[in-house]
Amino acid sequence: DTEVTQTPKHLVMGMTNKKSLKCEQHMGHRAMYWYKQKAKKPPELMFVYSYEKLSINESVPSRFSPECPNSSLLNLHLHALQPEDSALYLCASSQADRWGDRETQYFGPGTRLLVL
Amino acid sequence: GQQVMQIPQYQHVQEGEDFTTYCNSSTTLSNIQWYKQRPGGHPVFLIQLVKSGEVKKQKRLTFQFGEAKKNSSLHITATQTTDVGTYFCAGLSGAGSYQLTFGKGTKLSVIP
Repeated sequence: DTEVTQTPKHLVMGMTNKKSLKCEQHMGHRAMYWYKQKAKKPPELMFVYSYEKLSINESVPSRFSPECPNSSLLNLHLHALQPEDSALYLCASSQADRWGDRETQYFGPGTRLLVL
Repeated sequence: GQQVMQIPQYQHVQEGEDFTTYCNSSTTLSNIQWYKQRPGGHPVFLIQLVKSGEVKKQKRLTFQFGEAKKNSSLHITATQTTDVGTYFCAGLSGAGSYQLTFGKGTKLSVIP
C-alpha cells in the first residue's frame, strides 16, 4: 500500500477564515512533507517533519502552521491567507532512512485551495 | 543552492514517436526520482535511480542516471495518448537528505 490520503479535496476560504488541511499515511513512514504547487510549476517544499519533529521550514509565512500529531497524521492549519496562496497543497511521505535508496516520496492527491 | 535543470519545457509528439526529457543537476546527487503528473492530478512516483550509470526500464520507459550522478534522462518509446502529462525529475543531494529538488518539468502532449 503506497497511499497517502488528503482531505478535503477542494477548499474555498475567505481571507479571514481559519481552516485545516489533513494528511494521513499508513505505510510506517516517519518523514512527512507539505508542498505547495502553483499551476504549471513544480512542487515547492514548505515543511518537513521527521519522527514527528519539524526538521525543515522553508521560510513559510506564519499564516501556515503545520502540525504532526502522530506518525501517521500531518495537518496544515491555515489562517488569514491571501489570494496568492491559492494553489494545490500536496502532502508526501517517505521512509526516514539514512541509507539512500529508501527516500522515495509518495504524494497524496492534494487539496486544491482557493482563497477569495 | 542545488539546482536541477530540466529540458525541454514542452514537447509535442505524434502518437508513436519517441520522447526524451533530460535533467541536469548543479551538484552530485545521491539519487534521482522521476514523477508523472497528469493534468489535474498529483505527482505519481515512477522510479528512483541510485547508482552511477544505472539504467532501468519500465515497459516503454527507459531511465538513465549519468556516470557522474549529475544528469538523468527519461525516454519513452512509441508514445501513446496515455503518456500525456508533465514529467518531473527530482534530485536528492545526500543520503539522509529529505529535500527533493524538482526540475521544472516537461509537459508532454501526444497528438493522436
